[in-house]
Amino acid sequence: DAGITQSPRYKITETGRQVTLMCHQTWSHSYMFWYRQDLGHGLRLIYYSAAADITDKGEVPDGYVVSRSKTENFPLTLESATRSQTSVYFCASSALPFLAGDEQYFGPGTRLTVT
Amino acid sequence: QKEVEQNSGPLSVPEGAIASLNCTYSDRVSQSFFWYRQYSGKSPELIMSIYSNGDKEDGRFTAQLNKASQYVSLLIRDSQPSDSATYLCAVGNGGATNKLIFGTGTLLAVQP
Repeated sequence: DAGITQSPRYKITETGRQVTLMCHQTWSHSYMFWYRQDLGHGLRLIYYSAAADITDKGEVPDGYVVSRSKTENFPLTLESATRSQTSVYFCASSALPFLAGDEQYFGPGTRLTVT
Repeated sequence: QKEVEQNSGPLSVPEGAIASLNCTYSDRVSQSFFWYRQYSGKSPELIMSIYSNGDKEDGRFTAQLNKASQYVSLLIRDSQPSDSATYLCAVGNGGATNKLIFGTGTLLAVQP
């Protein structure tokens, strides 16, 4: 029972490079989310997806791109990484609201450092 | 701007005491309320959800919700050193988006 996994767990990249963070869930949850967590800001929503091929912006979407071709995967791409994108990134998922409320379950996180 | 406010702490309590964590929210249409526990370097873990006014108990944890006052709290009875973590309050609008707004968390330190 893997639940929700993220890869890589740690990543160091250089400014200007493209980097993709992967998220995979085995629960067949409809909703998936990407957050970043920074000291003093808490968890901030970057993008979310209600289903395959349906995505929408969150609070801090600039500089990020997402896709969702399959229900179980929700990759997050930093098109041209900047130092301000150094953060811990969490993926989360939740079931349809009428099935199980809107409880979200988190992956283990990816610690990204942009040099 | 919809907000969820928490005291950042640290809240220090002796082992065996009751820890009381508080959260206020600004959006009156909020419908769902959650407490997550986050150990240092780990991901948030859901420990309580509450949807109706009143108290909800689960083991040593009790969540309390007062929608009129826009206030939600978490009580931890018989606090243990293993309860030392950051506790995140999250609020949802119960709508079709399933989005949650998170507070910045309260750091709880349980002293042996």
